[in-house]
Amino acid sequence: DAGVIQSPRHEVTEMGQEVTLRCKPISGHDYLFWYRQTMMRGLELLIYFNNNVPIDDSGMPEDRFSAKMPNASFSTLKIQPSEPRDSAVYFCASSGHAGAGYGYTFGSGTRLTVV
Amino acid sequence: GQQVMQIPQYQHVQEGEDFTTYCNSSTTLSNIQWYKQRPGGHPVFLIQLVKSGEVKKQKRLTFQFGEAKKNSSLHITATQTTDVGTYFCAGPGNQFYFGTGTSLTVIP
Repeated sequence: DAGVIQSPRHEVTEMGQEVTLRCKPISGHDYLFWYRQTMMRGLELLIYFNNNVPIDDSGMPEDRFSAKMPNASFSTLKIQPSEPRDSAVYFCASSGHAGAGYGYTFGSGTRLTVV
Repeated sequence: GQQVMQIPQYQHVQEGEDFTTYCNSSTTLSNIQWYKQRPGGHPVFLIQLVKSGEVKKQKRLTFQFGEAKKNSSLHITATQTTDVGTYFCAGPGNQFYFGTGTSLTVIP
């Protein structure tokens, strides 16, 4: 298995632009998580899905952020409009059984810079 | 949700010295997981502890779960430069909550 695949690896965009981050989870994993990592706030859970259904989006910072999972093999995190404070590394992770016993498998992340 | 606190936040050691990071929770944890993130990398799952007082070893790494299941520790014996990175504990809720992490620097 290729693991969790995220794209792009790096994204530099201007303030106000729309940004879309993509994730392909490991086949057979029924949980998918989006995290944001910054020096100040550490690893923050933004949203997670179970069987393609959003379960908890309480970590999504504001309405500018949205996430979708149209099928078991694909998810997107969209920021519109982007702001400099959104600059961070965004990780997607997947797991079976909500991670219990097996842990989360993280993708390599997308480093987002908003200028 | 449940939160886990980690100490220390940073640790610098000479190569060959031991290293320990501690994870504490105000509530009883059903289980706890540990992850390692190399600089510029992504978190990688190391292990899960479930039983009270459980001790597990992975080569030079020793993981412990407290008797009360409110704390855990990761101990590395004779650190090597390959141990550099940030070590996170993660406690369960609807999903796992990651601690603040301990950043380990190993000085050759």
